[in-house]
Amino acid sequence: DQQVKQNSPSLSVQEGRISILNCDYTNSMFDYFLWYKKYPAEGPTFLISISSIKDKNEDGRFTVFLNKSAKHLSLHIVPSQPGDSAVYFCAAKETSGSRLTFGEGTQLTVNP
Amino acid sequence: NAGVTQTPKFQVLKTGQSMTLQCAQDMNHNSMYWYRQDPGMGLRLIYYSASEGTTDKGEVPNGYNVSRLNKREFSLRLESAAPSQTSVYFCASSRDRAKMRAFFGQGTRLTVV
Repeated sequence: DQQVKQNSPSLSVQEGRISILNCDYTNSMFDYFLWYKKYPAEGPTFLISISSIKDKNEDGRFTVFLNKSAKHLSLHIVPSQPGDSAVYFCAAKETSGSRLTFGEGTQLTVNP
Repeated sequence: NAGVTQTPKFQVLKTGQSMTLQCAQDMNHNSMYWYRQDPGMGLRLIYYSASEGTTDKGEVPNGYNVSRLNKREFSLRLESAAPSQTSVYFCASSRDRAKMRAFFGQGTRLTVV
């Protein structure tokens, strides 16, 4: 039972354009969401997060949007850069929980 | 500033052999985790330790055991390795349960033949 799903295994965009990565969840007890970025042969690194009391959080070129009624979140990267090419994982945490549930990941490729 | 350190980085085992993956963090974090990453399946939680002295099963605990040796160290043991345990293993730690901003090690690539 995949509680966090990233339905697009891959995404390719041109440098300078917007990248939109999507994530859906089924567990209504999730109250905190995170995005991680992973380069080959490295561990995932934290990128940005959002609490369920918000619908948007912005950090530089990265913005995460949360639609609780649709159980959907998205990560926008504007403008996209070749160095953004990586696998992006969406993750979620339950209220008072102690662990993260991850999606399958989306491979983003930004072409120069 | 080491963060989360995992050893070894690579390992090849024969079916039935045992081994222990080591993990240490120097950030004084309370919680530690072991994940495995497989193609198309994301990161799946094997075991976690919410605080020193406690351990709990995650999504895929079968075939593994863990020890929270102290606040810094959390080891993962494969008692009798199987080819299905071929994977990349990540250790992670986080300071608190509220925000769960986990920091990951560089991973251990394990192949069981």
